[in-house]
Amino acid sequence: DTGVSQNPRHKITKRGQNVTFRCDPISEHNRLYWYRQTLGQGPEFLTYFQNEAQLEKSRLLSDRFSAERPKGSFSTLEIQRTEQGDSAMYLCASSSSDVSSYNEQFFGPGTRLTVL
Amino acid sequence: QQQVKQSPQSLIVQKGGISIINCAYENTAFDYFPWYQQFPGKGPALLIAIRPDVSEKKEGRFTISFNKSAKQFSLHIMDSQPGDSATYFCAANAGNNRKLIWGLGTSLAVNP
Repeated sequence: DTGVSQNPRHKITKRGQNVTFRCDPISEHNRLYWYRQTLGQGPEFLTYFQNEAQLEKSRLLSDRFSAERPKGSFSTLEIQRTEQGDSAMYLCASSSSDVSSYNEQFFGPGTRLTVL
Repeated sequence: QQQVKQSPQSLIVQKGGISIINCAYENTAFDYFPWYQQFPGKGPALLIAIRPDVSEKKEGRFTISFNKSAKQFSLHIMDSQPGDSATYFCAANAGNNRKLIWGLGTSLAVNP
């Protein structure tokens, strides 16, 4: 399967714990995005990488959130001291910066986080 | 302020009918307008997309109509099938980072 993969698919944690999610983009894609989606809403942009550089972070991304893409391939999103309000689906997408692709973003299946 | 306004919130269509979902935007810098389909518990899947240099794009049963002057675009699903029952999102982007700005979604139910 050459699509975007995310792990784990589901995570249940207690309030105050730290969690880390992983995203593996489509191999030839150099751009990687994290979005958050709550029930009944559209995805909200969190952050964006081009290769290993994190080029933009949303105001939604508080200081408890950190994302990395150390070698320009997979990415991790860590949430420290989780709160119940962090419960959501965390989506990863990847795209190519090739002009001909027009930045079509392809999404993974998401990681569903439940904070008890 | 919702930068991309989507309507209706929900839609029920009979099998074989036409489903129409509308979106409007304000930011004239937007230059790419995709539609995504999402099933429960799954990530959004890119369905079809359009750029403002064309007024219509068709792929199979799915058509995007784009009205640049009105800053509106719509998704038409012809011969709607029960398997089309899902949530549909319009989106738009612009700028160097190409982050997507999303509508709130339309829940489509196609009755058999």
